[in-house]
Amino acid sequence: GENVEQHPSTLSVQEGDSAVIKCTYSDSASNYFPWYKQELGKGPQLIIDIRSNVGEKKDQRIAVTLNKTAKHFSLHITETQPEDSAVYFCAVGGYNKLIFGAGTRLAVHP
Amino acid sequence: GAGVSQSPRYKVAKRGQDVALRCDPISGHVSLFWYQQALGQGPEFLTYFQNEAQLDKSGLPSDRFFAERPEGSVSTLKIQRTQQEDSAVYLCASSLVSGWDTDTQYFGPGTRLTVL
Repeated sequence: GENVEQHPSTLSVQEGDSAVIKCTYSDSASNYFPWYKQELGKGPQLIIDIRSNVGEKKDQRIAVTLNKTAKHFSLHITETQPEDSAVYFCAVGGYNKLIFGAGTRLAVHP
Repeated sequence: GAGVSQSPRYKVAKRGQDVALRCDPISGHVSLFWYQQALGQGPEFLTYFQNEAQLDKSGLPSDRFFAERPEGSVSTLKIQRTQQEDSAVYLCASSLVSGWDTDTQYFGPGTRLTVL
């Protein structure tokens, strides 16, 4: 079955810096790659997603890149703000099922 | 508009008790999913419904776990004879359509189950 690895597990940055989180996956048939943000006591919230026919997608300060050949994708957050502090999960979708990474706890310090 | 809602938000059960967790998906969403999230981990798939049909229950950890969606809208996840290892956050998600091209899944706030 699909296996998703996410790095790093924790990330600490200064406000205004960039943050990058990387994920690798194993099933080359996977075609959907969402990123979720989860704040304490809340459910995961979709922040950006990309499908296998696109290599890069950007939404304001957030971007995702996908390398299908190497089977990895990354989340890039620029100009980080304290409210970006949360746990971020990558996921891989195939047939109506998401397989999640273990998460990255991002801390943005003022 | 209204998102996915779950109730109760918190549930404490004594070992051996049965519990029922409710999920109200976004109106009109065909697909409904249940995930289990252990402390400090990512969500893990439990089961998937397309309307009232349970098409995938490969993630249910044991036969003590049962899910239903009888009218294709509200879903209930039932856990019989709860064990301490069942303690986790149970997340429900829904998506508008279904099929091979995975659609965006929207998550509810979850139910935190603690088994004493």
